[in-house]
Amino acid sequence: EIVLTQSPGTLSLSPGERATLSCRASQSVSGNLAWYQQKPGQVPRLLIYAASSRATGIPDRFSGSGSGTDFTLTINRLEPEDFAVYYCQQYGNSPKTFGQGTKVEIK
Amino acid sequence: EVQLVESGGGLVQPGGSLRLSCAASGFTFSSSWMNWVRQAPGKGLEWVANINLDGRDEYYGDSVKGRFNISRDNADNLLFLQMMSVRVEDTAVYYCARGRYGVFDYWGQGTLVTVSS
Repeated sequence: EIVLTQSPGTLSLSPGERATLSCRASQSVSGNLAWYQQKPGQVPRLLIYAASSRATGIPDRFSGSGSGTDFTLTINRLEPEDFAVYYCQQYGNSPKTFGQGTKVEIK
Repeated sequence: EVQLVESGGGLVQPGGSLRLSCAASGFTFSSSWMNWVRQAPGKGLEWVANINLDGRDEYYGDSVKGRFNISRDNADNLLFLQMMSVRVEDTAVYYCARGRYGVFDYWGQGTLVTVSS
């Protein structure tokens, strides 16, 4: 099973700042990586798939990059609604696995 | 509009059984892989199982293999998860999610399963 390790565990930032979230895989997943956002009490929402493709309706301040074992989710100019938990997920190998999440909180 | 509506959650004793359902609408159900993903209280996401288009191929996470069974009814646009020999650690919100090339692009609101004596 591929283990995804996300860092940092918590990111404290102010609205308008840039958030940089990391996801590292225990072995290569090629470009088969997705990112999800989950707000308290809400359902996870797909943000990014194939490492860098934005899902339908996702603002362009969200961007993904990376391949192989190292991936990054960048959120430019944080909006108040962006404070949430973010999960990466790999689908290059079975079973599909998720990272443990990074919480982006208001500083 | 894609809609996924789960039902069937509740309180079950350790060792017991429960059947979850997911009613799908707004897309061609028979053309979509379907998944169950769970989230224990205050914890992260865990993929549980998925099933292919015609229901003949099923895949499971190691933690539920041999105890859970995923199935589908394409005539009525329904997805199921039969949970057997449940354990306390199966306590979670169970989400039905549509699969698209390995990612989960639409999610239901979830149904809570609590395993406790």
